[in-house]
Parts: sequence; C-alpha cells; structure tokens
Amino acid sequence: KQEVTQIPAALSVPEGENLVLNCSFTDSAIYNLQWFRQDPGKGLTSLLLIQSSQREQTSGRLNASLDKSSGRSTLYIAASQPGDSATYLCAVRPNTNAGKSTFGDGTTLTVKP
Amino acid sequence: DTGVSQDPRHKITKRGQNVTFRCDPISEHNRLYWYRQTLGQGPEFLTYFQNEAQLEKSRLLSDRFSAERPKGSFSTLEIQRTEQGDSAMYLCASSELGREQYFGPGTRLTVT
Repeated sequence: KQEVTQIPAALSVPEGENLVLNCSFTDSAIYNLQWFRQDPGKGLTSLLLIQSSQREQTSGRLNASLDKSSGRSTLYIAASQPGDSATYLCAVRPNTNAGKSTFGDGTTLTVKP
Repeated sequence: DTGVSQDPRHKITKRGQNVTFRCDPISEHNRLYWYRQTLGQGPEFLTYFQNEAQLEKSRLLSDRFSAERPKGSFSTLEIQRTEQGDSAMYLCASSELGREQYFGPGTRLTVT
C-alpha cells in the first residue's frame, strides 16, 4: 500500500526566503507525481506534474524534482511572497496509471511580510 | 473551458437523510475522480470513472455511497442515510488519461 508523507506539517518563513517542501513515498512504482496548493476551504490548484521518466519540472518561481528510486520529491519555491501562504500537497499515481492517487497530508506554509 | 464545477458548494443535512452532489468535469476530460477530505488531512480517494465506466472504488465507499457518470459527462455522488462521520469536503477532479488532475471547488457536507 502506497504511503505518502510530507514533512514538516507546517513551515513559517519571512518574505523573500527560498524554501523547499518535501514529499516522500514508500512505493517507487509510480506513474507520475503532482504538486498542488490548497487555500483554506477551497479546492486544489495544480502546480506541477512530473512524469516518472522526468527528473524535474519548472513553472515560474516553482521547481519540482523527483527521485523515484529513493521515493522523494521536493518543491522549491524561490523568493517567497505572502501570497504563497497555503497548504501544499503532493500526490502520487501508481505505474498502472490507475485512477487512484495517494495524497500526503500537506505542508502548511506561512510567509510573513 | 470553465474548469471543474461542483454543486452545491455547501450542504447541511440531518443524520439519516440522503444527499446528492453533482460534478461537471472539464469537457474533453475522459477521467473523473471523487475524493473526500477532512480537516488537516489530504484527500482520500473514493472512486473514479473513465468515460461512463466506474473502474475503481475505494473500500471507504460503503454501500451507502453510490456514484454514477451517465453518458460519460457529469457525475453524481449520492450518500444514503447520512451519518455524522460523513461530514467532510467532497472533491471532484477530472483529467485526460495520464495527465494532470484538475479539481473543483468542493462540496462541504455537514451532517447534524
């Protein structure tokens, strides 16, 4: 059974700081990994998708990496802003490309002005 | 393309009542997913459809839960004889095969 862990559960940083969020998973047989952000009481917004054959993806100030063999992904946020404050979740999909994605419980990020 | 929509956004019901939620996916997406999320937790998979076929159901989806996707378009999730433990955010997502999942705003269910 796939298990996804995100540590730390919460993180507070001053504005402008670069930061890294971590996601680890127990079964390396994945099809892809997706990072999301969620604002309180809202749905999830897709940030980046990394296919199992890829090592990283970039979008603006965000960079996600994937090390499938070690069961780890990181989300790097450059020059953080107060608007980045949200919960960040990662989800892995099994290599059967089945529909079931397994989510971590997220890291809640607070960026202080 | 207006994104994934869900209706209603909020539902308050009394224990024992039946409720039905609707999800309208992005039009060209052949996959549709339902998840449930409680406070402080990540979404838990409930079920998914490819076109009109329901391909997988979680063991979380007890016999009080049923989902349909007639004609491979919108989907409904029905909960019969609601219990307080059903209180949660119900999230719908859609995707093309193997591609990014896009989520709707969710339906917040409160069972009193």
